[in-house]
Amino acid sequence: RKEVEQDPGPFNVPEGATVAFNCTYSNSASQSFFWYRQDCRKEPKLLMSVYSSGNEDGRFTAQLNRASQYISLLIRDSKLSDSATYLCVVNPTTGTASKLTFGTGTRLQVTL
Amino acid sequence: GAVVSQHPSRVICKSGTSVKIECRSLDFQATTMFWYRQFPKQSLMLMATSNEGSKATYEQGVEKDKFLINHASLTLSTLTVTSAHPEDSSFYICSANLAGGLSLFGEGSWLTVV
Repeated sequence: RKEVEQDPGPFNVPEGATVAFNCTYSNSASQSFFWYRQDCRKEPKLLMSVYSSGNEDGRFTAQLNRASQYISLLIRDSKLSDSATYLCVVNPTTGTASKLTFGTGTRLQVTL
Repeated sequence: GAVVSQHPSRVICKSGTSVKIECRSLDFQATTMFWYRQFPKQSLMLMATSNEGSKATYEQGVEKDKFLINHASLTLSTLTVTSAHPEDSSFYICSANLAGGLSLFGEGSWLTVV
């Protein structure tokens, strides 16, 4: 079993749609969780951190379920500019020296 | 604010030559940096962990004599691809973690070996 699993997609959705991505992780001791966005031929950029209490940033909502070892990202009112690959990232600690574990990414294509 | 800067963004070199890629932390110190490579449509693959003042830790299957890593200061790590071959052509990315586990990535370096 992979340490972090994501559906690779692609998810093709029309503009304005709501889309949800899920991610599961195997290390129950993991401490910090993130969603990153990676555009084609660019580096990953932080979209948002993920907390058990859930957090929202504009059209984006992230949720962590520690019991199920499951992370989600919800995008409302999709824009063309949301087209990218979304990476689920898990860190075993909150420290600066630990290696992150990446999902393979979920590709989103928003169309007119 | 804290940024990770990588240079060069693109480089083309001839087979058999060596190429150096620099990764700098700006506005923060990074005792640990990470080097990744990414092939088209694939996930990031961790190559090595760069440790300031000591030897890098390489992932299984990564040749340490081919991918030389030097982390001589708290703000700079370098990756040198030695005796480059066309199959080394890839996107190389560095990162450093901030407190809280958040990772900042450099802009990435596209290496083409001809």
